[in-house]
Amino acid sequence: TQLLEQSPQFLSIQEGENLTVYCNSSSVFSSLQWYRQEPGEGPVLLVTVVTGGEVKKLKRLTFQFGDARKDSSLHITAAQPGDTGLYLCAGGNSGNTPLVFGKGTRLSVIA
Amino acid sequence: DTEVTQTPKHLVMGMTNKKSLKCEQHMGHRAMYWYKQKAKKPPELMFVYSYEKLSINESVPSRFSPECPNSSLLNLHLHALQPEDSALYLCASKREGFWNEQFFGPGTRLTVL
Repeated sequence: TQLLEQSPQFLSIQEGENLTVYCNSSSVFSSLQWYRQEPGEGPVLLVTVVTGGEVKKLKRLTFQFGDARKDSSLHITAAQPGDTGLYLCAGGNSGNTPLVFGKGTRLSVIA
Repeated sequence: DTEVTQTPKHLVMGMTNKKSLKCEQHMGHRAMYWYKQKAKKPPELMFVYSYEKLSINESVPSRFSPECPNSSLLNLHLHALQPEDSALYLCASKREGFWNEQFFGPGTRLTVL
């Protein structure tokens, strides 16, 4: 069974601070997705990384896929209150095999 | 366009009621999913449809009955639910050949009284 360990589970920071969320596994994934979810809404896909060592940037968010495709990180620079939400990493394999979700990181950015 | 729509947004039902959740996507995706999400937990997979055929059932109780009338629509029929079935029900779809990128709908908040 593939597992994704996501850390930290909770994070409360002041506006303007930087933060990093980690997603680790002992298994290799074909792809790694990051989602953000707000209360009562569905997860919104932020990025997909597929190549070992890949780095993708989305404004103030930087996503990295580990060289061995077993881990990933999300770094947010100068966090803003609008970044508040639940961040989920999800590992994907071929075909329609189910995504493997991490337990999520609940981020709160205080103005 | 990466939109998946779900109706209704909220649903309250009694344990003897029969209701249905609806999901629609017009992105041409041929795989569609139902997930259940409890508070402060990640989504849990319930069903996967691929080319309108049920391909995965994650041992979901028979009081949940999925249906895929066509490639754009996915229904979840509910009957004789229990209060512990109260949750956010999410639909998602995936495009072929694009790894496992799934696009989620906004969800239906279900409350069973």
